[in-house]
Amino acid sequence: KQEVTQIPAALSVPEGENLVLNCSFTDSAIYNLQWFRQDPGKGLTSLLLIQSSQREQTSGRLNASLDKSSGRSTLYIAASQPGDSATYLCAVVEAGTALIFGKGTTLSVSS
Amino acid sequence: DADVTQTPRNRITKTGKRIMLECSQTKGHDRMYWYRQDPGLGLQLIYYSFDVKDINKGEISDGYSVSRQAQAKFSLSLESAIPNQTALYFCATSDSRTDYEQFFGPGTRLTVL
Repeated sequence: KQEVTQIPAALSVPEGENLVLNCSFTDSAIYNLQWFRQDPGKGLTSLLLIQSSQREQTSGRLNASLDKSSGRSTLYIAASQPGDSATYLCAVVEAGTALIFGKGTTLSVSS
Repeated sequence: DADVTQTPRNRITKTGKRIMLECSQTKGHDRMYWYRQDPGLGLQLIYYSFDVKDINKGEISDGYSVSRQAQAKFSLSLESAIPNQTALYFCATSDSRTDYEQFFGPGTRLTVL
């Protein structure tokens, strides 16, 4: 059974720092991997989608990488801002199924 | 207008009541999903539908039922609500013709007393 783990569970950084959020999955037979952002009590906003054949995707200050063979993905946030404070969720899709989520990393960026 | 909408946004009900949560989408996607989010447990899949005639149970389907009334509408029912069904419920959609990226609705906060 696929399991998705995110480390750390919580992270606090000062404004301006570059940071990395980690995601690992147990079965490398995934179709794609998706990173989301969730603000408290709100819905999920899709940040980046990486297909299984891709190595990375970039959007603005965000860069997500995928190493399918080792079952790992990272989300790199450059020059963090207080507005980046949120919970970041990683999820994988296996063929013919829905998303399997990790429990998230809660990020706090202080000014 | 939002592409994926959920109604109601908040609902408080009593144990034993029947509740229906509704989801509509204007994205033209064929696949729709219902997830539940509990603090500390993350998001878990309740039901998913690959088209109007294809409905599948997720990992926590007990106590829930669904109906895909049209490609754009997918409703979730709690036949007899119980307190441990208190949670945040999300609907999502994806398109099998493209990259399966999932898009989420704003959520429904359900409280069962």
